[in-house]
Amino acid sequence: DAGITQSPRHKVTETGTPVTLRCHQTENHRYMYWYRQDPGHGLRLIHYSYGVKDTDKGEVSDGYSVSRSKTEDFLLTLESATSSQTSVYFCAISESNGGHKETQYFGPGTRLLVL
Amino acid sequence: KQEVTQIPAALSVPEGENLVLNCSFTDSAIYNLQWFRQDPGKGLTSLLLIQSSQREQTSGRLNASLDKSSGRSTLYIAASQPGDSATYLCAVKGGNTPLVFGKGTRLSVIA
Repeated sequence: DAGITQSPRHKVTETGTPVTLRCHQTENHRYMYWYRQDPGHGLRLIHYSYGVKDTDKGEVSDGYSVSRSKTEDFLLTLESATSSQTSVYFCAISESNGGHKETQYFGPGTRLLVL
Repeated sequence: KQEVTQIPAALSVPEGENLVLNCSFTDSAIYNLQWFRQDPGKGLTSLLLIQSSQREQTSGRLNASLDKSSGRSTLYIAASQPGDSATYLCAVKGGNTPLVFGKGTRLSVIA
């Protein structure tokens, strides 16, 4: 299994509070991704990073920010959590982002409940 | 915008049966198509990746096919086992676009 950990694994928070989720990898892969998974919507990309301090938006980036100060860590921040951000959040990594053979490896997920 | 559809949404079969899961996509300009498995409460595990130039890939009892021109892929599972019970997700990769996922098929194999 690819070395990807996410913390925390579970979190309950209140509306309006800031929340930061962490993804840590030991594979030295260049690309890192944050997805959310919701019933009826499947997996949707929030943000991704293609190197240290290099990030870009995904399909559902509103209300989220990211930072990557080291190759191994990718942080997802909800500046002011809302109930609509209750979801399961997955981090993924890949060596490249365009190759025909490229695959992504996923972390175990973080369950976030915003009350 | 690429859209990926998986039918059926759920499937229940008796142990030992061969089965086919379907995936369709709207834009045939893809780099590759991947099938993932997701167990309840867990992350995704890559099962098979088919490059755009390939027609199929096999791994053990799993065989995935790709018909890019018609925008379809199938995942064939031979001699199903209760341990195959999981949600199976299909995802397609475009050029500079991120992976686009289907909503998955939830498979239950009954002993």
